[in-house]
Amino acid sequence: SQQGEEDPQALSIQEGENATMNCSYKTSINNLQWYRQNSGRGLVHLILIRSNEREKHSGRLRVTLDTSKKSSSLLITASRAADTASYFCATGQKSGGSYIPTFGRGTSLIVHP
Amino acid sequence: EAGVAQSPRYKIIEKRQSVAFWCNPISGHATLYWYQQILGQGPKLLIQFQNNGVVDDSQLPKDRFSAERLKGVDSTLKIQPAKLEDSAVYLCASRQGHISGNTIYFGEGSWLTVV
Repeated sequence: SQQGEEDPQALSIQEGENATMNCSYKTSINNLQWYRQNSGRGLVHLILIRSNEREKHSGRLRVTLDTSKKSSSLLITASRAADTASYFCATGQKSGGSYIPTFGRGTSLIVHP
Repeated sequence: EAGVAQSPRYKIIEKRQSVAFWCNPISGHATLYWYQQILGQGPKLLIQFQNNGVVDDSQLPKDRFSAERLKGVDSTLKIQPAKLEDSAVYLCASRQGHISGNTIYFGEGSWLTVV
């Protein structure tokens, strides 16, 4: 079963607005990563936040992690049409000494110019 | 730095036929993953290799899917015989080591349509 679940499933905003996506997970994690997937393309890594971190920034991206609530959020500020894509969270779990990233269903973001 | 290479990008086959996908990970990356992504869903792990050994293949339908990573570099994923529900994108990804903090890099995927 998939570990992380994103919401909303779909988000439609105007260029310049902020977009917030949430990810909830069920079991303890080592870290949580966010990925972007443009239509017809592979996944691109955006940001990793470790379980002992609460907030992380990268350009227009801000990720928070609340391990007590088992949730994370991805904020994209001042969105652009080029941000239109699906966004996935992946939770990292250890299995037999190795690292297994497990993905949610994703949030489909549409940014209207 | 070259990314993860996959081929073919697109493949259409009839059910019960076989298909093979190839992946060349980033040079020096010990860990290689194959994911299946059905339209509208997130990627689902099929198999994970550490060098040329299998770490996890618990979600690989072994009656029809097989994968190998000879010499710990390139990998091949085979489906035989294919079913309609195998229509999906098959994503290959690689990571430098087994430490959890390493970034995972994905290829562009191989799109399979089974008719």
